[in-house]
Parts: sequence; C-alpha cells; structure tokens
Amino acid sequence: EPEVTQTPSHQVTQMGQEVILRCVPISNHLYFYWYRQILGQKVEFLVSFYNNEISEKSEIFDDQFSVERPDGSNFTLKIRSTKLEDSAMYFCASTFPGLQETQYFGPGTRLLVL
Amino acid sequence: AQSVTQPDIHITVSEGASLELRCNYSYGATPYLFWYVQSPGQGLQLLLKYFSGDTLVQGIKGFEAEFKRSQSSFNLRKPSVHWSDAAEYFCAVGADSSYKLIFGSGTRLLVRP
Repeated sequence: EPEVTQTPSHQVTQMGQEVILRCVPISNHLYFYWYRQILGQKVEFLVSFYNNEISEKSEIFDDQFSVERPDGSNFTLKIRSTKLEDSAMYFCASTFPGLQETQYFGPGTRLLVL
Repeated sequence: AQSVTQPDIHITVSEGASLELRCNYSYGATPYLFWYVQSPGQGLQLLLKYFSGDTLVQGIKGFEAEFKRSQSSFNLRKPSVHWSDAAEYFCAVGADSSYKLIFGSGTRLLVRP
C-alpha cells in the first residue's frame, strides 16, 4: 500500500538555526499538508498546498515557515530561525481533493530545539 | 468555527471489555468526521470516517462509530478491547477550506491485562 514518508525521523537543532523537514507524499495525491503536535497537545493544522501554492495557512504558520514542492515528489517545510516553542512532532499528509477523501499521514519528524 | 472536543483525556479498560470514546463536534454544515489512532512513536492511522448515509460506520480493527446529529457526537466503540489497542485516539472534522482536518485533543487508551 502506498504511504507517506518523512525524513528525518528525529532532528535536534540549536535555537536560531534553519531546519528543513522533508516529506514524500503519495504519488498521485494533489493536496499536501503539514500539521504539528506539541508534546501532550492536539494535532494542529499548519498549512495546505495545492497546485504549487499555499491554499490555506494557520496563524501558527508565520513568516518563519515556508513550504515548497521542489521537484514534483518531495514536499518540504522550512523553519528559517527555530525557536524553543517550535519543538514538536511535525506530520506531513496528502490526499486527493474532497472532504470525503482520506488524508494519509506520514510517521512524523520529531523536532527538538535547544 | 469548527471544533472538536474529546472530553476524556485518559481511559483505562480491561482487556476484553467494551470501549466507548467520546467525541463532540461543532460545525455549521454536514460534518465529515474521522477517527485516527496513533500508537507510540507512530503516525496517524485512519480507523474510520463518516460522510453521509448510514450513521453507524464500521472501521478497521473491529472499531465502529455512530454519528448522532442531535447530540453533535461521533463516539467510537469497540465491543472487546485487545491489549494492542492501547494508543491515543483522535477525533477530527474535515473543514471545507482546503479539506484540512481539525483535531480533538485526543484520548489515551490504557488496557489492563
């Protein structure tokens, strides 16, 4: 069964450093998402991406964040200057358009900012 | 605005006992509802989903959920819990805009031997 993959599984970085989280969505999906889950809290929507542009972003997704689909297969989340509060599990998801479609989630990248 | 409430943070049941996890939603139109499960260190796996039609939906691993519009609820049930069901369970509603999911805060299920 096709699956969403994410790399790395864990990343430790120093505050102020840039990080790039990578995702390979399911190949024929058209909508891509990033969500995050701070330890012990709910999963929160960050951004959706469709047709090579951001379709929606949450208030969490400020100027420090950016997303890109550089080569038609990878989908990346960049945090320009990490803060302590960016420490979280970051999930990538992909789906076909449509509310009835299932979003498939990757295993997540656990980011720790020191 | 759409929201999802899971009132139980933790639930402990004995293996073989029945299970019900509660979920209430707030949504103006017909909701699209999902239950996901997250095992420790793993991603989110879809258990089941409701869009329309029969209000009792069957999912994987023997789970089912019932949509009750009058109560704005979508509770997850399983008649006999197995030790491998110990995990965190998230209820979610699909939002019109960009089809994003809005999650509840989750319920952690512990299974006693």
